[in-house]
Amino acid sequence: DAGITQSPRHKVTETGTPVTLRCHQTENHRYMYWYRQDPGHGLRLIHYSYGVKDTDKGEVSDGYSVSRSKTEDFLLTLESATSSQTSVYFCAISESVSGGYNEQFFGPGTRLTVL
Amino acid sequence: DAKTTQPTSMDCAEGRAANLPCNHSTISGNEYVYWYRQIHSQGPQYIIHGLKNNETNEMASLIITEDRKSSTLILPHATLRDTAVYYCIVRVVRSGGSNYKLTFGKGTLLTVNP
Repeated sequence: DAGITQSPRHKVTETGTPVTLRCHQTENHRYMYWYRQDPGHGLRLIHYSYGVKDTDKGEVSDGYSVSRSKTEDFLLTLESATSSQTSVYFCAISESVSGGYNEQFFGPGTRLTVL
Repeated sequence: DAKTTQPTSMDCAEGRAANLPCNHSTISGNEYVYWYRQIHSQGPQYIIHGLKNNETNEMASLIITEDRKSSTLILPHATLRDTAVYYCIVRVVRSGGSNYKLTFGKGTLLTVNP
């Protein structure tokens, strides 16, 4: 299995509080992603990174920010958590491969509950 | 990226082959077909991918029709541990970070029965 860890694995917080989720990889892969998964919506991309300090928005980025100061760490921050951000969050990594394909490896997920 | 259509759910008997279809009739020539699965409460797992030739690895086989408008993922001897949601994803692979993201649809829930 790819070396990806997420922390915390479970978190309960209150509306309005800041929350930071961490994704750590030991594979030295260039690309890192944050997805959220909700019933009826499947997996949706929040933000992604294509290198240290290089990040961009995904399809559901409102209310989230990210940072990547080191290759191995990708942080997802909810500046002021809302109940609509209750979800399971997955981090993924991939390495660019010449010739085309893009296998993504996923972490175990973080279950976040915002009360 | 091309849209895909998969059945919502399928059943398969343990030990039998599971054949999961995916329709991608609007696929273009430079789009790959990827399959991932997600076992309950776990992160998605890559299974296989292909462009136009059939592919096989230790997990599964991927059969892509000649016109590339549909494909079938085959698990040759399904086990109870193969019960999962299977996602068929079609996408272009280009250089540049944003083009490496995956778009997951609803997938097919495969239930392997004893």
